[in-house]
Amino acid sequence: NAGVTQTPKFQVLKTGQSMTLQCAQDMNHNSMYWYRQDPGMGLRLIYYSASEGTTDKGEVPNGYNVSRLNKREFSLRLESAAPSQTSVYFCASSKDRITEAFFGQGTRLTVV
Amino acid sequence: GENVEQHPSTLSVQEGDSAVIKCTYSDSASNYFPWYKQELGKGPQLIIDIRSNVGEKKDQRIAVTLNKTAKHFSLHITETQPEDSAVYFCAASQETSYDKVIFGPGTSLSVIP
Repeated sequence: NAGVTQTPKFQVLKTGQSMTLQCAQDMNHNSMYWYRQDPGMGLRLIYYSASEGTTDKGEVPNGYNVSRLNKREFSLRLESAAPSQTSVYFCASSKDRITEAFFGQGTRLTVV
Repeated sequence: GENVEQHPSTLSVQEGDSAVIKCTYSDSASNYFPWYKQELGKGPQLIIDIRSNVGEKKDQRIAVTLNKTAKHFSLHITETQPEDSAVYFCAASQETSYDKVIFGPGTSLSVIP
């Protein structure tokens, strides 16, 4: 049982480049989330999708876009990467709402 | 909005001793308080949670207490083992909301054999 799978695990981008972080879950969960984790700041919500077909902004959405491709997949796109977006990105899913969220292993992104 | 503070930021204990991590929250509407454990190189994993209608919850060596009046909650780990070494995050949310969960900054726990 894979749970929540994120790709890639590591990525280095140059300022201004774009990329998409992929996330897929196999638990038939309705809700999916993207977080970023920075030292001393815990996890901050970027975007979430309460159910298939819906997406909403979280606490720190600027510079990001998301797509809920289907019930399983939720992608995060950086259109023009900036050094401030250097972080570890986590995707998570839950059956409903935020209770008992399951997290992926993370993507470590460095923007130079 | 909600603000969650967590203390201490780092904690070292001898194997077999107890560890306590404390969190405070600001929004009295918060009613769900999960704790996550993050091992090195992995994503956070839910280890225990408590809802506002309960004052204490235990699961083997871990327990969480909640004081709604003072707006603080704590994680207690007894008989610590080296595998308990990790970063622990507390969080506070309104159970009916998707986006109002706020995480604390984390506590790095080291259990010394």
